[in-house]
Amino acid sequence: IVMTQSPATLSVSPGERATLSCRASQSVSSNLAWYQQKLGQAPRLLIYGASTRATGIPARFSGSGSGTEFTLTISSLQSEDFAVYYCQLYNDWPVVIFGGGTKLEIK
Amino acid sequence: EVQLLESGGGFVQPGGSLRLSCAASGFTFTNYAMGWFRQAPGKGLEWVSAINGRGSSSYFADSVRGRFTVSRDNSKNTLYLQMNSLRAEDTAVYYCAKRDGSSGFSDYWGQGTLVTVSS
Repeated sequence: IVMTQSPATLSVSPGERATLSCRASQSVSSNLAWYQQKLGQAPRLLIYGASTRATGIPARFSGSGSGTEFTLTISSLQSEDFAVYYCQLYNDWPVVIFGGGTKLEIK
Repeated sequence: EVQLLESGGGFVQPGGSLRLSCAASGFTFTNYAMGWFRQAPGKGLEWVSAINGRGSSSYFADSVRGRFTVSRDNSKNTLYLQMNSLRAEDTAVYYCAKRDGSSGFSDYWGQGTLVTVSS
């Protein structure tokens, strides 16, 4: 299974909505996670089970989707949200598959 | 508070070896599987290896199988990655991460340690 994220780079202004996509090459379960990674930092879990926010994650982050199409939405971008976002398929532990990432940059 | 702290990275020549450590705290270490991931400079995330809570089962990506071994010392709350026959393409930041219960995602990650393989 290949996980493809789009776009590779997304330019959005603070306060606007950002929509990031992750597509699986075949239909998968909802074992899909999203991570945020800031420059020089470790990945941070945002969403698991395709739509459940991890502990401490602000409500402006939401995940949705099933089958082959998944989406991470950030409703109103804050300055601290500009980072790289990865989706991860984890339905066959320990083998997990990451998407190539989407860089969210300030417009 | 869950904390994971990697150490042991550094500069090594091709064909050399390194052992990475990951010191864990803030949770009952023996109850959780752990994993190693890596990120080459400017690239995305790649799963490398995993080990169950008791240390009785280990798993490896094809790219490292036969060269890397993973182990844990539950009495010391420490995870290890022994890397042998290192290649230039193994150059990356290596992260340890805690598995969330019986799910497959990683809920906590360490800050990473850089491994550079170069002549």
